[in-house]
Amino acid sequence: DAGITQSPRYKITETGRQVTLMCHQTWSHSYMFWYRQDLGHGLRLIYYSAAADITDKGEVPDGYVVSRSKTENFPLTLESATRSQTSVYFCASSSKASGSVDTQYFGPGTRLTVL
Amino acid sequence: AQKITQTQPGMFVQEKEAVTLDCTYDTSDPSYGLFWYKQPSSGEMIFLIYQGSYDQQNATEGRYSLNFQKARKSANLVISASQLGDSAMYFCAMREVYNFNKFYFGSGTKLNVKP
Repeated sequence: DAGITQSPRYKITETGRQVTLMCHQTWSHSYMFWYRQDLGHGLRLIYYSAAADITDKGEVPDGYVVSRSKTENFPLTLESATRSQTSVYFCASSSKASGSVDTQYFGPGTRLTVL
Repeated sequence: AQKITQTQPGMFVQEKEAVTLDCTYDTSDPSYGLFWYKQPSSGEMIFLIYQGSYDQQNATEGRYSLNFQKARKSANLVISASQLGDSAMYFCAMREVYNFNKFYFGSGTKLNVKP
Protein backbone atom coordinates (compact mmCIF):
# COMPACT_ATOMS: atom_id res chain seq x y z
CA ASP A 1 0.00 0.00 0.00
CA ALA A 2 2.13 2.89 -1.32
CA GLY A 3 -0.29 5.74 -0.50
CA ILE A 4 1.18 8.93 -1.87
CA THR A 5 4.67 9.11 -3.30
CA GLN A 6 6.84 11.88 -4.65
CA SER A 7 9.85 11.79 -6.92
CA PRO A 8 12.57 12.74 -6.86
CA ARG A 9 13.09 13.12 -3.14
CA TYR A 10 16.03 15.44 -3.69
CA LYS A 11 16.86 17.59 -6.70
CA ILE A 12 19.56 20.10 -7.45
CA THR A 13 19.17 22.18 -10.57
CA GLU A 14 20.38 25.42 -12.06
CA THR A 15 18.62 28.71 -12.61
CA GLY A 16 16.64 28.75 -15.84
CA ARG A 17 16.20 25.00 -16.15
CA GLN A 18 12.83 23.29 -16.31
CA VAL A 19 12.13 20.88 -13.49
CA THR A 20 9.20 18.53 -12.98
CA LEU A 21 8.27 17.10 -9.61
CA MET A 22 6.12 14.00 -9.70
CA CYS A 23 3.30 13.02 -7.37
CA HIS A 24 1.40 9.75 -7.44
CA GLN A 25 -1.37 8.50 -5.15
CA THR A 26 -2.94 5.06 -5.00
CA TRP A 27 -6.13 5.95 -3.11
CA SER A 28 -8.08 7.39 -6.08
CA HIS A 29 -8.56 10.59 -4.10
CA SER A 30 -10.35 13.32 -5.98
CA TYR A 31 -8.36 16.21 -4.58
CA MET A 32 -4.65 16.77 -4.92
CA PHE A 33 -2.52 19.67 -3.78
CA TRP A 34 0.97 21.09 -4.10
CA TYR A 35 2.53 23.07 -1.27
CA ARG A 36 5.88 24.61 -0.68
CA GLN A 37 7.36 24.92 2.77
CA ASP A 38 9.89 27.60 3.59
CA LEU A 39 11.27 28.78 6.91
CA GLY A 40 9.19 31.67 8.15
CA HIS A 41 6.31 31.00 5.75
CA GLY A 42 4.95 27.67 6.82
CA LEU A 43 3.04 25.74 4.18
CA ARG A 44 1.81 27.68 1.17
CA LEU A 45 -0.54 26.29 -1.45
CA ILE A 46 0.77 26.46 -5.01
CA TYR A 47 -1.92 24.65 -6.99
CA TYR A 48 -4.71 22.24 -6.36
CA SER A 49 -6.88 19.93 -8.40
CA ALA A 50 -10.43 18.83 -7.65
CA ALA A 51 -10.42 16.03 -10.24
CA ALA A 52 -8.69 14.96 -13.42
CA ASP A 53 -8.44 17.88 -15.85
CA ILE A 54 -9.56 20.38 -13.17
CA THR A 55 -6.84 22.52 -11.65
CA ASP A 56 -6.73 25.92 -10.02
CA LYS A 57 -4.26 28.34 -8.54
CA GLY A 58 -3.45 28.55 -4.88
CA GLU A 59 -1.66 31.23 -2.93
CA VAL A 60 1.71 31.24 -4.77
CA PRO A 61 1.24 29.89 -8.34
CA ASP A 62 3.65 32.14 -10.26
CA GLY A 63 6.42 30.24 -12.00
CA TYR A 64 4.68 26.88 -11.69
CA VAL A 65 2.54 24.78 -14.02
CA VAL A 66 0.46 21.72 -13.17
CA SER A 67 -1.50 19.15 -15.07
CA ARG A 68 -3.73 16.27 -14.12
CA SER A 69 -4.58 13.97 -16.98
CA LYS A 70 -5.06 11.01 -14.65
CA THR A 71 -6.61 10.95 -11.20
CA GLU A 72 -3.56 9.39 -9.60
CA ASN A 73 -0.89 11.75 -10.93
CA PHE A 74 -0.34 15.43 -10.32
CA PRO A 75 3.01 16.67 -11.64
CA LEU A 76 4.34 20.12 -10.81
CA THR A 77 6.63 21.86 -13.31
CA LEU A 78 8.90 24.78 -12.69
CA GLU A 79 9.14 26.25 -16.17
CA SER A 80 12.33 28.24 -15.57
CA ALA A 81 13.66 27.61 -12.09
CA THR A 82 14.76 30.55 -9.94
CA ARG A 83 16.69 30.58 -6.68
CA SER A 84 13.58 31.75 -4.85
CA GLN A 85 12.00 28.40 -5.73
CA THR A 86 14.48 26.57 -3.55
CA SER A 87 12.16 24.91 -1.07
CA VAL A 88 10.64 21.70 0.16
CA TYR A 89 7.65 20.71 -1.95
CA PHE A 90 4.84 18.60 -0.59
CA CYS A 91 2.14 16.89 -2.55
CA ALA A 92 -1.07 15.97 -0.73
CA SER A 93 -4.36 14.31 -1.51
CA SER A 94 -7.78 13.96 0.03
CA SER A 95 -11.12 12.44 -0.82
CA LYS A 96 -14.37 14.33 -0.78
CA ALA A 97 -17.28 12.54 0.80
CA SER A 98 -20.51 14.46 0.60
CA GLY A 99 -21.16 16.54 3.72
CA SER A 100 -17.90 15.64 5.40
CA VAL A 101 -14.51 17.13 5.72
CA ASP A 102 -11.78 14.75 4.72
CA THR A 103 -8.25 14.53 5.93
CA GLN A 104 -5.43 15.60 3.69
CA TYR A 105 -2.55 13.13 3.47
CA PHE A 106 0.92 14.23 2.51
CA GLY A 107 3.67 12.73 0.45
CA PRO A 108 7.22 12.56 1.84
CA GLY A 109 8.29 15.81 0.19
CA THR A 110 10.86 16.82 -2.42
CA ARG A 111 13.77 19.01 -1.39
CA LEU A 112 14.62 21.22 -4.35
CA THR A 113 17.71 23.37 -4.54
CA VAL A 114 18.13 25.88 -7.35
CA LEU A 115 21.70 27.09 -7.80
CA ALA B 1 -7.32 37.84 9.06
CA GLN B 2 -5.42 34.70 9.94
CA LYS B 3 -7.54 31.60 9.61
CA ILE B 4 -5.35 29.55 11.96
CA THR B 5 -3.24 31.00 14.75
CA GLN B 6 -0.64 29.13 16.73
CA THR B 7 0.82 31.51 19.27
CA GLN B 8 3.58 29.27 20.65
CA PRO B 9 6.58 29.19 18.29
CA GLY B 10 8.42 26.82 20.63
CA MET B 11 7.73 24.82 23.76
CA PHE B 12 9.59 22.54 26.13
CA VAL B 13 8.09 19.70 28.09
CA GLN B 14 9.60 17.13 30.43
CA GLU B 15 9.40 13.53 29.32
CA LYS B 16 6.30 11.74 30.66
CA GLU B 17 4.46 15.00 31.32
CA ALA B 18 1.43 16.24 29.40
CA VAL B 19 1.62 19.26 27.11
CA THR B 20 -0.97 21.43 25.40
CA LEU B 21 -0.33 23.09 22.06
CA ASP B 22 -2.62 26.00 21.34
CA CYS B 23 -4.60 26.63 18.19
CA THR B 24 -7.31 29.17 17.47
CA TYR B 25 -9.20 29.46 14.23
CA ASP B 26 -11.41 31.89 12.39
CA THR B 27 -14.32 30.87 10.21
CA SER B 28 -17.91 31.80 9.52
CA ASP B 29 -18.59 28.48 7.82
CA PRO B 30 -20.95 26.40 10.00
CA SER B 31 -19.28 23.16 8.97
CA TYR B 32 -15.54 22.64 9.11
CA GLY B 33 -12.85 20.27 10.20
CA LEU B 34 -9.80 20.81 12.35
CA PHE B 35 -6.62 18.78 12.01
CA TRP B 36 -3.27 18.40 13.67
CA TYR B 37 -0.14 17.28 11.89
CA LYS B 38 3.29 16.36 13.21
CA GLN B 39 6.45 17.11 11.29
CA PRO B 40 9.54 15.44 12.77
CA SER B 41 13.05 16.47 11.78
CA SER B 42 12.93 13.90 8.98
CA GLY B 43 10.46 16.20 7.26
CA GLU B 44 7.34 14.19 6.55
CA MET B 45 3.92 15.49 7.52
CA ILE B 46 2.08 12.99 9.68
CA PHE B 47 -1.65 13.28 10.29
CA LEU B 48 -2.44 12.96 14.01
CA ILE B 49 -6.06 13.79 14.77
CA TYR B 50 -9.25 15.25 13.32
CA GLN B 51 -12.20 17.08 14.90
CA GLY B 52 -15.40 17.89 13.03
CA SER B 53 -17.27 21.06 13.91
CA TYR B 54 -20.42 19.09 14.70
CA ASP B 55 -18.72 16.41 16.74
CA GLN B 56 -20.12 16.40 20.25
CA GLN B 57 -17.12 14.83 21.88
CA ASN B 58 -13.47 15.76 21.78
CA ALA B 59 -11.44 13.60 19.43
CA THR B 60 -8.87 11.24 20.86
CA GLU B 61 -6.21 9.09 19.19
CA GLY B 62 -4.00 7.22 21.61
CA ARG B 63 -1.96 9.78 23.54
CA TYR B 64 -3.36 12.63 21.46
CA SER B 65 -6.56 14.43 22.26
CA LEU B 66 -8.09 17.56 20.86
CA ASN B 67 -9.58 20.02 23.32
CA PHE B 68 -12.30 21.54 21.13
CA GLN B 69 -13.99 24.67 22.45
CA LYS B 70 -16.29 25.80 19.67
CA ALA B 71 -17.51 29.02 21.25
CA ARG B 72 -13.94 30.15 21.82
CA LYS B 73 -12.85 28.84 18.40
CA SER B 74 -10.00 26.91 19.85
CA ALA B 75 -8.72 23.43 19.02
CA ASN B 76 -5.80 22.70 21.30
CA LEU B 77 -3.79 19.52 20.98
CA VAL B 78 -3.04 17.69 24.19
CA ILE B 79 -0.25 15.14 24.23
CA SER B 80 -0.25 12.98 27.32
CA ALA B 81 2.83 11.23 28.72
CA SER B 82 5.28 12.95 26.36
CA GLN B 83 7.99 10.86 24.79
CA LEU B 84 11.32 11.89 23.29
CA GLY B 85 9.94 10.94 19.87
CA ASP B 86 7.27 13.61 20.24
CA SER B 87 9.89 16.28 19.62
CA ALA B 88 8.78 17.81 16.34
CA MET B 89 6.93 20.68 14.70
CA TYR B 90 3.17 20.54 15.12
CA PHE B 91 0.76 22.20 12.72
CA CYS B 92 -2.88 22.97 13.25
CA ALA B 93 -5.04 23.12 10.12
CA MET B 94 -8.62 23.76 9.12
CA ARG B 95 -10.81 22.93 6.16
CA GLU B 96 -14.21 24.47 5.53
CA VAL B 97 -16.93 22.41 3.88
CA TYR B 98 -18.02 25.27 1.63
CA ASN B 99 -14.46 26.18 0.71
CA PHE B 100 -13.24 22.66 0.29
CA ASN B 101 -10.36 23.51 -1.98
CA LYS B 102 -8.53 25.35 0.77
CA PHE B 103 -6.64 23.85 3.68
CA TYR B 104 -5.46 26.50 6.10
CA PHE B 105 -2.34 25.88 8.15
CA GLY B 106 -0.97 27.60 11.19
CA SER B 107 2.66 28.60 11.47
CA GLY B 108 3.47 25.67 13.72
CA THR B 109 4.79 25.01 17.23
CA LYS B 110 8.19 23.42 17.78
CA LEU B 111 7.95 21.01 20.68
CA ASN B 112 11.07 19.81 22.47
CA VAL B 113 10.74 16.94 24.92
CA LYS B 114 13.47 16.92 27.55
CA PRO B 115 14.70 13.66 29.11
